Amino acid sequence: QLQLQESGPGLVKPSETLSLTCTVSGGSITSVEHFWGWIRQPPGKGLEWIGSVYYRGNTYYNPSLESRITISVDTLRNHFSLTLTSLTAADTAMYYCARRGSDLLAYMDVWGKGTMVYVSS
Amino acid sequence: DIQMTQSPSSLSASVGDRVTITCRASQDISNYLAWYQQKPGRVPRVLIYGASTVQSGVPARFSGSGSGTEFILTISSLQPEDVATYYCQKYDNALALTFGGGTKVEIK
Repeated sequence: QLQLQESGPGLVKPSETLSLTCTVSGGSITSVEHFWGWIRQPPGKGLEWIGSVYYRGNTYYNPSLESRITISVDTLRNHFSLTLTSLTAADTAMYYCARRGSDLLAYMDVWGKGTMVYVSS
Repeated sequence: DIQMTQSPSSLSASVGDRVTITCRASQDISNYLAWYQQKPGRVPRVLIYGASTVQSGVPARFSGSGSGTEFILTISSLQPEDVATYYCQKYDNALALTFGGGTKVEIK
């Protein structure tokens, strides 16, 4: 059974850079049918799609975050990563990684449990 | 950018009631729409994709309808375990997988 697990620091200082990793187990990140992405949710608020990556390295970013984010994939380690720069308190959120399909199956069908990130000095 | 607007933002209904949640897209997205359920403190899970296809394992009381710009999630008989926030998401464009604002469902 496919599982995703986020990892990273729980606390980051303003203006610094956040790095998160999502490790995929029970399946291969090189699946030709799937993309891998990040979603975040500030406390008490709704879901925001951050971006996605394909195993070949193709990336798709939320235009509102594009200038600050990089999503990369490591097929050898079967994981993908998110880097978010110039952090502010507004980036405090639960960060989820998720798998999505393509075309009419391009919804998020498998999610990680999430990792809470606080941006504070 | 295509905006996704859900209504209502919250609702309270009795056990056994039929509940409907609407999601409107500002432009035509065909049937590239999914519905997710997020119970308090839990991870979102997909209920419906392709606007009307029920994900495996989802109770039959959940259904989806619509295409183009208007979509509806229906819970035919509300159960206590359905207390959650429900989100729609469009996925017609890989560069804009936008979520709606969410609808919080409570038991009266």
